[in-house]
Amino acid sequence: AQRVTQPEKLLSVFKGAPVELKCNYSYSGSPELFWYVQYSRQRLQLLLRHISRESIKGFTADLNKGETSFHLKKPFAQEEDSAMYYCALGAYNTDKLIFGTGTRLQVFP
Amino acid sequence: NAGVTQTPKFQVLKTGQSMTLQCAQDMNHNSMYWYRQDPGMGLRLIYYSASEGTTDKGEVPNGYNVSRLNKREFSLRLESAAPSQTSVYFCASSDDSGRFQFFGPGTRLTVL
Repeated sequence: AQRVTQPEKLLSVFKGAPVELKCNYSYSGSPELFWYVQYSRQRLQLLLRHISRESIKGFTADLNKGETSFHLKKPFAQEEDSAMYYCALGAYNTDKLIFGTGTRLQVFP
Repeated sequence: NAGVTQTPKFQVLKTGQSMTLQCAQDMNHNSMYWYRQDPGMGLRLIYYSASEGTTDKGEVPNGYNVSRLNKREFSLRLESAAPSQTSVYFCASSDDSGRFQFFGPGTRLTVL
C-alpha cells in the first residue's frame, strides 16, 4: 500500500536551532517525494522535490531508499519557518499525490 | 494570473442543506483536484479530474459530487450536508504529471 507517515504533529524549536521534520513512505516502486508548506493565512505551496536535490529557504531533504525516508532539514531555524509542512508521495503512472498528515513547525524567538 | 481561485471563502450550513463550492484555474492545466483538510488527518483527496469531461473518486468521495464544467472549472457539491463534512476544502490544479500542484486559498465550511 502507498502511504506517507509524518510521526510528529507538532515540532517546537527555538530560533537558530536545527530542525528535522520526519517523513517515511511506503511504496514498492521508485517514489517521487515532495514537501509542501502552508504558511499562516497562505495557500499550500510546493517547497521542494527530491529529484531536483535543491535547497529552498535553507531547507534540504534527501531521499533514503534504504530507510524509506525523506526527512526535511534545516540547520538554523528562523521564525518565518513557522508553518504546516506536508510530505507527499507521487506514485508511478498516476497524476495524484498522497499526502501525509502534516507537521506543524513552531519556531520561537 | 490569478492562479487557482475558490468561492466562497467561508460558509455555514445547517444539516441537510446543499451547496456547491466553485473552483477555477487560469493556468491551462488538465488536472484538477478537491481535497479536504482536517486536524490530524492531513489532506485527503475527495475527487479529481484528469481532463475535461472526466472525474474519478479519491480517498473520501462519499457525500460529495463533482462537475468538471470545462477545462477551467471544477465544482464540488454537497447534496445533503452533514456535520462530519465540516472542514477546510482546497481545490488544486496541476500539469499532467500531477506532481506540481497549485492550490487555491481554501473554503472553510461549517455544518451545524
